Amino acid sequence: GAGVSQSPRYKVAKRGQDVALRCDPISGHVSLFWYQQALGQGPEFLTYFQNEAQLDKSGLPSDRFFAERPEGSVSTLKIQRTQQEDSAVYLCASSLVSDRNTGELFFGEGSRLTVL
Amino acid sequence: QQPVQSPQAVILREGEDAVINCSSSKALYSVHWYRQKHGEAPVFLMILLKGGEQKGHEKISASFNEKKQQSSLYLTASQLSYSGTYFCGTEKIGTDKLIFGTGTRLQVFP
Repeated sequence: GAGVSQSPRYKVAKRGQDVALRCDPISGHVSLFWYQQALGQGPEFLTYFQNEAQLDKSGLPSDRFFAERPEGSVSTLKIQRTQQEDSAVYLCASSLVSDRNTGELFFGEGSRLTVL
Repeated sequence: QQPVQSPQAVILREGEDAVINCSSSKALYSVHWYRQKHGEAPVFLMILLKGGEQKGHEKISASFNEKKQQSSLYLTASQLSYSGTYFCGTEKIGTDKLIFGTGTRLQVFP
């Protein structure tokens, strides 16, 4: 597609429910990042993939958070047993790989999760 | 560790200039700048890779002092469309991930 696509755009979950957030990166982009953005804050790094390999998951807040990218394109962020503090906008970004540095990140519109 | 931005907020009249600073405690490989409008995704402005490098994008330019681990974003002759929250993103040497700063909210009024 032309840009990074995320779904659903809005998700309301009851505390304790599991949710799955999908990210469709720009075709050909090898790197994929997930960020969590709380209201009024900057995006906080969650995890990073290069193709299907998850190279860094140091930002995942707990073992309730799990991300995968099995075929190196679409990625899913899963949150189990959601808690109120999980309420945030989850941003996905993709990038062309550069040998020297993280290239320009192209962000999706985000998935806004509200946990009641 | 999250880079620190200053100021936290700026209010400008159209045509005025502003400087936004970004400071990190870690040795940096690169600095990115993004602008995010309310309810929208962050949009890329520029990347700076080398110490002392300065880049420009229309009337928006930036510098990167590698030794001081600092970057500054310069907005000249601001336009209404410049309103939004500006984030720097820093990349440490030896990593591939971008860590975003605390953000600077810029409002430009006619």
